[in-house]
Amino acid sequence: DVKVTQSSRYLVKRTGEKVFLECVQDMDHENMFWYRQDPGLGLRLIYFSYDVKMKEKGDIPEGYSVSREKKERFSLILESASTNQTSMYLCASSSGQGAFGYTFGSGTRLTVV
Amino acid sequence: ILNVEQSPQSLHVQEGDSTNFTCSFPSSNFYALHWYRWETAKSPEALFVMTLNGDEKKKGRISATLNTKEGYSYLYIKGSQPEDSATYLCAFISAGGFKTIFGAGTRLFVKA
Repeated sequence: DVKVTQSSRYLVKRTGEKVFLECVQDMDHENMFWYRQDPGLGLRLIYFSYDVKMKEKGDIPEGYSVSREKKERFSLILESASTNQTSMYLCASSSGQGAFGYTFGSGTRLTVV
Repeated sequence: ILNVEQSPQSLHVQEGDSTNFTCSFPSSNFYALHWYRWETAKSPEALFVMTLNGDEKKKGRISATLNTKEGYSYLYIKGSQPEDSATYLCAFISAGGFKTIFGAGTRLFVKA
């Protein structure tokens, strides 16, 4: 069963901490994405990557960075966590820029206190 | 500004009811429209990828239609079951760059 795996389901961090959210996919997809989901809003794209060591800013990249050292792994980094980054974070992968559908992880609910 | 609207925001139905909800999207620069089902504590799961005006797709009791000229898609659930309780997301994919815009979702509650 192909899947996208996110390392943590729930995470609580303190303001100012550096936070790493890890995502691994086993489908050999070129494209990987990080979204956040907040109540009343659609999924918003933070960063995406079309290849190893390649990254592109999405719609809301401020306060985040990413790393893609291997094809199967895409990490989201909160350099200095803030309370407004409390959210549900979803990782996704696709074989064709997302046009033909995404495969999502089950999400990480991050709370910053 | 590209915008995708889903209505209603939430919906409560009884087991056995049929229901439908709407996704509205820009009528220009269309490439594809996706529907996903997102159950609590699980991954969003792709239901349909729709690309052609007039498309109708069906998966069991769930079906979807697409009107790209007027910019809307309907998702229908026939004979709702408690296991259909989930958030249903639609995503508009624009041509030329494949930008994806997600709606905020319709949260469906089916009571036994």
